[in-house]
Amino acid sequence: KAGVTQTPRYLIKTRGQQVTLSCSPISGHRSVSWYQQTPGQGLQFLFEYFSETQRNKGNFPGRFSGRQFSNSRSEMNVSTLELGDSALYLCASSVGLASTGTDTQYFGPGTRLTVL
Amino acid sequence: QKEVEQNSGPLSVPEGAIASLNCTYSDRVSQSFFWYRQYSGKSPELIMSIYSNGDKEDGRFTAQLNKASQYVSLLIRDSQPSDSATYLCAVKRAGGTSYGKLTFGQGTILTVHP
Repeated sequence: KAGVTQTPRYLIKTRGQQVTLSCSPISGHRSVSWYQQTPGQGLQFLFEYFSETQRNKGNFPGRFSGRQFSNSRSEMNVSTLELGDSALYLCASSVGLASTGTDTQYFGPGTRLTVL
Repeated sequence: QKEVEQNSGPLSVPEGAIASLNCTYSDRVSQSFFWYRQYSGKSPELIMSIYSNGDKEDGRFTAQLNKASQYVSLLIRDSQPSDSATYLCAVKRAGGTSYGKLTFGQGTILTVHP
């Protein structure tokens, strides 16, 4: 089974621009979670989508948004980029079982975003 | 208090030794616990998951969970230089408000020297 894929792998943008990142989950997985990883803050949860609906959201400003398509692929968008948005953006997919905590997440390779 | 705390590193062990990685969590509603390994410049890779009190073994890895003490650990037996990486402890709450959300510790850097 193919793993989680993310595109692009690297991005360089300037302040004020916007960016869109893409994530394709493992076949059969319906849940996609997004995380931001920085040296100072570690891995922080952005949001989660399941069946095209955002079910959960972390403590990030509204500049961070996402969506999910009917084939479970997901995109996240960051508008009005700031220097502090430079990070590794990771998506993780899981089956998306609603009632249990045993749903295991598998990470993609990440997108390295640099904001100049 | 951080939600998930890991023993401060870096941790250095000789090849063949046992490496012990520890993690405590503050939320008693936490239900699921995961250990991920992250090599420099790579994404996290799942090593173990554990949901019930006690030990769970998988090859050279053993995860231990004690919900009463809010403590989870990972033991790596016969450590190899290829085990050198950052180990991340992740915790998931029960219930709908936790959909898709893992809370991570800051990670422990492990170095296995020949």
